[in-house]
Amino acid sequence: GQQVMQIPQYQHVQEGEDFTTYCNSSTTLSNIQWYKQRPGGHPVFLIQLVKSGEVKKQKRLTFQFGEAKKNSSLHITATQTTDVGTYFCAGGGSSNTGKLIFGQGTTLQVKP
Amino acid sequence: DADVTQTPRNRITKTGKRIMLECSQTKGHDRMYWYRQDPGLGLRLIYYSFDVKDINKGEISDGYSVSRQAQAKFSLSLESAIPNQTALYFCATSDTGTGSGYTFGSGTRLTVV
Repeated sequence: GQQVMQIPQYQHVQEGEDFTTYCNSSTTLSNIQWYKQRPGGHPVFLIQLVKSGEVKKQKRLTFQFGEAKKNSSLHITATQTTDVGTYFCAGGGSSNTGKLIFGQGTTLQVKP
Repeated sequence: DADVTQTPRNRITKTGKRIMLECSQTKGHDRMYWYRQDPGLGLRLIYYSFDVKDINKGEISDGYSVSRQAQAKFSLSLESAIPNQTALYFCATSDTGTGSGYTFGSGTRLTVV
């Protein structure tokens, strides 16, 4: 079945450093979504990418969808302590049923 | 009030007991989902429902059952709880094709002893 792998599992950075998490799917995706879960909280939707090669920005966050629609990345520029949490990618299958398969998540710690 | 409400927030139960986790939503979404979260494993899909008469198994449905009582309500049951079902359970909803993602409830932390 469809699998979505996400690396790294953990990342510790100094405040002000950049951070990137990568997501790879075993199959072509119809879309990729990204979520953030704060410690003790629930996942919150950040963004959806649909088009091959698509790049979207939200302030210091940059999201990319690969040309083959099998991989994606989230890059945070100049991390802040408010960026702490676990970031999940979630892939929609090629049939675009609305069902998502989540990656394992990357937990980001930011040292002030 | 929260858009997606899960009850209870925390539950400790004994091995072999039947337990139901409830989820209700005010989003008006047709699609509802149950996921479980375990450290290092991310979110794994248990069951999902695209409307009241539609129920589908996810990746890890063994040992679980669901009921879609109404558009707004989707409950998850553990027929005979076992310790490896100890996890954080999330209910989520989504609209059809709007690209606005899933809305998650606050989760139910279940411990089976």
